[in-house]
Amino acid sequence: QKEVEQDPGPLSVPEGAIVSLNCTYSNSAFQYFMWYRQYSRKGPELLMYTYSSGNKEDGRFTAQVDKSSKYISLFIRDSQPSDSATYLCAMNNQAGTALIFGKGTTLSVSS
Amino acid sequence: EAGVAQSPRYKIIEKRQSVAFWCNPISGHATLYWYQQILGQGPKLLIQFQNNGVVDDSQLPKDRFSAERLKGVDSTLKIQPAKLEDSAVYLCASSLDPGAGANVLTFGAGSRLTVL
Repeated sequence: QKEVEQDPGPLSVPEGAIVSLNCTYSNSAFQYFMWYRQYSRKGPELLMYTYSSGNKEDGRFTAQVDKSSKYISLFIRDSQPSDSATYLCAMNNQAGTALIFGKGTTLSVSS
Repeated sequence: EAGVAQSPRYKIIEKRQSVAFWCNPISGHATLYWYQQILGQGPKLLIQFQNNGVVDDSQLPKDRFSAERLKGVDSTLKIQPAKLEDSAVYLCASSLDPGAGANVLTFGAGSRLTVL
């Protein structure tokens, strides 16, 4: 079993839809959970991160962590064509250690 | 602030040849990472440096890959000899102070390697 599992998609939605992206993980020691967005032929860029369990909101984006289920989610409200990208979840178990990434989910938002 | 710089952006070589990638992290960032991203996969850590010391190189194929970070700033990743399965994007990332809370990595645009 891989440490971080993420459905690669692809996921296609119409503009304005609510998008749900998810990852599961196996290491209960993970504490920091991040979402990166990667456009084609670009490096990943940080969208948002959360520490331990709970929710965090930033504009149209909401990140959720459920440590009891080892499950994290990213919700995108009112999706836009500019949101079309690959979304990578990443996590680590303590400050200072390198991030472990999921495979990434490719999202396409059509206008 | 200037981002993470990487070069070259693209490289095509034949198998068994050698190649080197260069990375200049964000000024003041103590920690530097090299990740390998194969098409359709997430980035996989190759090596992590703290200043000019190696923190984690457990997933670096040391028979063919080497990396150094002289003077704790720029870094070079070398592959010799290259294999077909080394075709990937090599991403360099840096972080300011990984010991203080979330380890936020800033990535460069990557160096895309094709091995024929």
